[in-house]
Amino acid sequence: GESVGLHLPTLSVQEGDNSIINCAYSNSASDYFIWYKQESGKGPQFIIDIRSNMDKRQGQRVTVLLNKTVKHLSLQIAATQPGDSAVYFCAENNSWGKLQFGAGTQVVVTP
Amino acid sequence: ETGVTQSPTHLIKTRGQQVTLRCSSQSGHNTVSWYQQALGQGPQFIFQYYREEENGRGNFPPRFSGLQFPNYSSELNVNALELDDSALYLCASRQFSGTNTGELFFGEGSRLTVL
Repeated sequence: GESVGLHLPTLSVQEGDNSIINCAYSNSASDYFIWYKQESGKGPQFIIDIRSNMDKRQGQRVTVLLNKTVKHLSLQIAATQPGDSAVYFCAENNSWGKLQFGAGTQVVVTP
Repeated sequence: ETGVTQSPTHLIKTRGQQVTLRCSSQSGHNTVSWYQQALGQGPQFIFQYYREEENGRGNFPPRFSGLQFPNYSSELNVNALELDDSALYLCASRQFSGTNTGELFFGEGSRLTVL
């Protein structure tokens, strides 16, 4: 079946460094992807999205890269801060709005 | 603050009981969906409602049912609770405008524990 998966369960990053979170997807027909951040005890929070007709999209301190050739998605966080500590999910949006989430990557920011 | 509110925030039930979880969508949103998130996992899609009708369902048994009301608030009902139903239940809403893309706003969830 189709799936969205994440490569690393935990990512430890020093404060001020850049973070890179990776995600693989298997449905080559997918055309819309979203990154979410989930802090402990809270619901997922939208970070950034990208459509399949784009390779890169930038937001405030975040950049999403999409490589359709290898079906890979990444989220880059610049100058990681303690407030960035959370679980990050990539999600694949199907034609009628269902989101398929991966298992998540726990980002831990160390001083 | 997403404008999506859920109640209750926490509840404990026993096996075999029934539960109703409630969600108030963000103002102006006509589409609501529900997700189940087990501990340490990503959210799993349960179903979606658009203008009071279910228009998509994930791999969940019929004892999971829902409603969307004219004011776009929503309920998730689970009958005959099982231990594996223990999870965080997330409600999310968006404004459908011809395409199913665009930001989906999540509530903080209802934490259900089944004993």
